Amino acid sequence: AQTVTQSQPEMSVQEAETVTLSCTYDTSESDYYLFWYKQPPSRQMILVIRQEAYKQQNATENRFSVNFQKAAKSFSLKISDSQLGDAAMYFCAYRSERGGADGLTFGKGTHLIIQP
Amino acid sequence: DAGVTQSPTHLIKTRGQHVTLRCSPISGHKSVSWYQQVLGQGPQFIFQYYEKEERGRGNFPDRFSARQFPNYSSELNVNALLLGDSALYLCASSLVLQGPPYEQYFGPGTRLTVT
Repeated sequence: AQTVTQSQPEMSVQEAETVTLSCTYDTSESDYYLFWYKQPPSRQMILVIRQEAYKQQNATENRFSVNFQKAAKSFSLKISDSQLGDAAMYFCAYRSERGGADGLTFGKGTHLIIQP
Repeated sequence: DAGVTQSPTHLIKTRGQHVTLRCSPISGHKSVSWYQQVLGQGPQFIFQYYEKEERGRGNFPDRFSARQFPNYSSELNVNALLLGDSALYLCASSLVLQGPPYEQYFGPGTRLTVT
C-alpha cells in the first residue's frame, strides 16, 4: 500500500515571502499522479497543482510550483509571494495509475500560517 | 457550472443509529468517491463508484455502504453508528475512472457528530 508523509505539521511565513511544504511518499509503482490540495477553514478541498510521474518537468500554476524528485520519492510545494488567502491546511495526495480502485491517499497535512 | 454538492451540511446522531449522506457530482462527471476526514487528519478513502458500480473500497467495516444512481448522484450509508464515526465526510467527483483528466473535485463535506 502507498503511504504519504508530510513531516511539517505547521509552517509560518511572512506575507509576500516564499515557503516550501514537504511531502514524501512510498510506492512500488512506476506510474502515478501526485496532487497538492488546499483546505481552508471553510472545509472545501481545492486542487492546487498536479504532477504526472512520467513527466520530468515540474508543474507550475501561477505562484505555486512543485519540486518533483521521483528517485527520492519527494514532492514539495513552493508558494511564492505568499498571500493572506493562502492560509489553510495543505494536503499532499497520491493516486495510482490504475485508477480509482484505491482512491487518493493523503498525508496528514501541513497547517500554513501567513503572518501579515 | 455548479460544483460538487453535499447534504446535509451538518447532522448529529446518537450511537447505534443509521445515517444517510448525499452527494451530487459536477455535471458530466460519472465517478463519485467518498472520504472520511477525522479531525486533524487527512481524508481516508471509503468508496469509489463509476457508472453505478463499486470500483474501489477502502479499509472500512461493512457498516459503511454506498450506491450511485442513474443520474450519477450518490448516497453513503452508515449503520450502527459509533462515536468514532464522528468526522467530516467528503464526496469527490471525477470525469472518468482511469486516464486523464485525473483530478477529483471535492464538495464542502458533511460534518457528522455521533453522541
